[in-house]
Formats: sequence, structure tokens, C-alpha cells
Amino acid sequence: AQTVTQSQPEMSVQEAETVTLSCTYDTSENNYYLFWYKQPPSRQMILVIRQEAYKQQNATENRFSVNFQKAAKSFSLKISDSQLGDTAMYFCALKTLYGGSQGNLIFGKGTKLSVKP
Amino acid sequence: SQTIHQWPATLVQPVGSPLSLECTVEGTSNPNLYWYRQAAGRGLQLLFYSVGIGQISSEVPQNLSASRPQDRQFILSSKKLLLSDSGFYLCAWSVPGSGRKTQYFGPGTRLLVL
Repeated sequence: AQTVTQSQPEMSVQEAETVTLSCTYDTSENNYYLFWYKQPPSRQMILVIRQEAYKQQNATENRFSVNFQKAAKSFSLKISDSQLGDTAMYFCALKTLYGGSQGNLIFGKGTKLSVKP
Repeated sequence: SQTIHQWPATLVQPVGSPLSLECTVEGTSNPNLYWYRQAAGRGLQLLFYSVGIGQISSEVPQNLSASRPQDRQFILSSKKLLLSDSGFYLCAWSVPGSGRKTQYFGPGTRLLVL
């Protein structure tokens, strides 16, 4: 079975500082995709960043970057220069290419991030 | 560019009443479509997905059903709502084919069953 675990239910960070959100996953597949989604109070799910498992280089999107450790099955999200608008629930998600639901995303339970002024 | 719409945004329904939530996608053809439910304080659970008109796959047995009458329209229905159907319902789409694995979500519908 495929699982995604986010061990930090809540975190807080001061504005302009850096914070890292943790995610571990389990899959027997070798090819898969990992995602971080952000869900602000509006509750719309917004894609933050995506990582293909076959790429060794860590993905980066502006202030957001990941630390992808394939052997350890770890996929953490680093937010640099945190802004008040980063306050949201952050979900880690896994998607394999084979087996199970076509296109099914397996989500973690989320980490609630609060950015304090 | 592609956009995804959901309506209504909020719905309050009595137990036993029917349900119809609609999702439409613009700017793409033959998208994969998904319905998710998010219970309060929890992650997302996939309910249904569709790879084409009339093709629906169910992930979780329940009193909900889904239909895809048109290429870019996905409908979530119930004949009789239960209290446990309350939650936040999200529709998502993705481009079919290899390498296009990202799902993009709509704004969601908040459903409260009383």
C-alpha cells in the first residue's frame, strides 16, 4: 500500500524566516511524482511544487524548494523568506504511474503553517 | 489557459434530500476528472475519477454517484443525503497522457447536511 505521512500537525514561523515541512512516503514503485499543495483559508487547493522521482535535482519554485531523498523516501518543503500569505494547510501528495486508480493522488493529513508578523 | 469551476460554493441540505454538485473545466479537451472529499481537519479522499464521457470509476463505496455527461462536465450526485456526507468537495482535472501528472483543483463546494 502507498502511504504519505506528515508528522507535524502544526508549525509556526516568523515573517521573513525559513521553515521546513516534513513528509515521508512509502511506495514499491520506482517511478512516481510527489507534490506539495497549499490550502489557504479559502480552501482552494493550490499546487506549490512538483518533483519527478526520476530526477535527482531538487525542484525549486521561487521561495519554495524541496529536499527529495529517494532512498529515505523523504520529501520536505522549505519555504524561504516566509510571508503572511503563506499561512495555510500544506499537503504532501504522492502519485504513482502504475496500479490502482489512474491518476489517484495519495495525500498526507496536512501541516497547518502559521506565519506570524 | 485552463480554468475549473464548481458550484454551488456552499450548500446546506436536510438529511434524505438529493444532491447535485457540478464541475466544469474550460480550455482543455478530454481531461481526466476527479471528485475528492475533505472531512473537517483531514486530508483528501478520492471518491470518483473519469477518463472520458460516461466512464466513471468509484474508489469508495457510498451513497454518492458521479456522472460525466459531457467531455468537460463532471457531476456528483446523491439520491438521499446522510449526515456523514457533510464535508468539502473538491473537483480536479489533469491532462491525460504520460508526463502530465499534475492535478489542478477547483474552488470546492462546502456541503453541510443537517
